[in-house]
Amino acid sequence: DTAVSQTPKYLVTQMGNDKSIKCEQNLGHDTMYWYKQDSKKFLKIMFSYNNKELIINETVPNRFSPKSPDKAHLNLHINSLELGDSAVYFCASSQEGYKQFFGPGTRLTVL
Amino acid sequence: GDSVTQMEGPVTLSEEAFLTINCTYTATGYPSLFWYVQYPGEGLQLLLKATKADDKGSNKGFEATYRKETTSFHLEKGSVQVSDSAVYFCALSVDRSDYKLSFGAGTTVTVRA
Repeated sequence: DTAVSQTPKYLVTQMGNDKSIKCEQNLGHDTMYWYKQDSKKFLKIMFSYNNKELIINETVPNRFSPKSPDKAHLNLHINSLELGDSAVYFCASSQEGYKQFFGPGTRLTVL
Repeated sequence: GDSVTQMEGPVTLSEEAFLTINCTYTATGYPSLFWYVQYPGEGLQLLLKATKADDKGSNKGFEATYRKETTSFHLEKGSVQVSDSAVYFCALSVDRSDYKLSFGAGTTVTVRA
C-alpha cells in the first residue's frame, strides 16, 4: 500500500555513467515532482509534471531528463554522471499543490 | 527571489522540553507557509500550513502562526517526545496553485529520553 515508491533506494556508480531512477505513485495524483537534497539537507525542486506535462523546470543541467510515461510515473534519467550529482533524490506527488507526498528517497553516490 | 531562512541546527533537547524552530521568509506578494517533517529514513510529509496572515497551523501538538509584520512562521511544541526527532523544513509557495515550494535548509532535532 505504498503511496509514493522509488527504485532503487541506493545507487552507487562511476563518473561518466548514465543511470535512471524510477518513481511511481498510487494516489491518483495529477502532479509529480523531483527534488534533490544535498549533504546539508538542503532541498531543491528540479522538475514537476502535471498530467504528463512539464510545468516546473528549474535550472538543472540538461544531463538530467525527466520522463513521464503516464501520470502515475515520473522517471529521472541522468547522463554522464558527475561527482556533484551525489545526493538524495526525492520523488513526490500531489493533488493540491502544497500537500506533497514524498517517496523514501534514492541515495545516489557517484565515485 | 522567494526564500526561507531557518535557524541552523542541530538542536538537541530532553523529553518534555519546549521546542522552537525559527523561520523567516522573503517573498513577493502573499505566500502560503508550511512546515514539513522528515523522520529518519523517510520522505518529507506535511506537518502544518497557514495561508494568510495571522492564521495558525497546528498538528500533532505543533503550532506555527503566520506573522506578516515580522515575516515569520516559527514552529513550536510545548512538550517534545523522542518520536519528534526528525528534520523540520519550513517552506513557502507564492504561486496560486502552490505547486512550487521553496524549502529552507532544514533543522535537525534530536530529543533524548
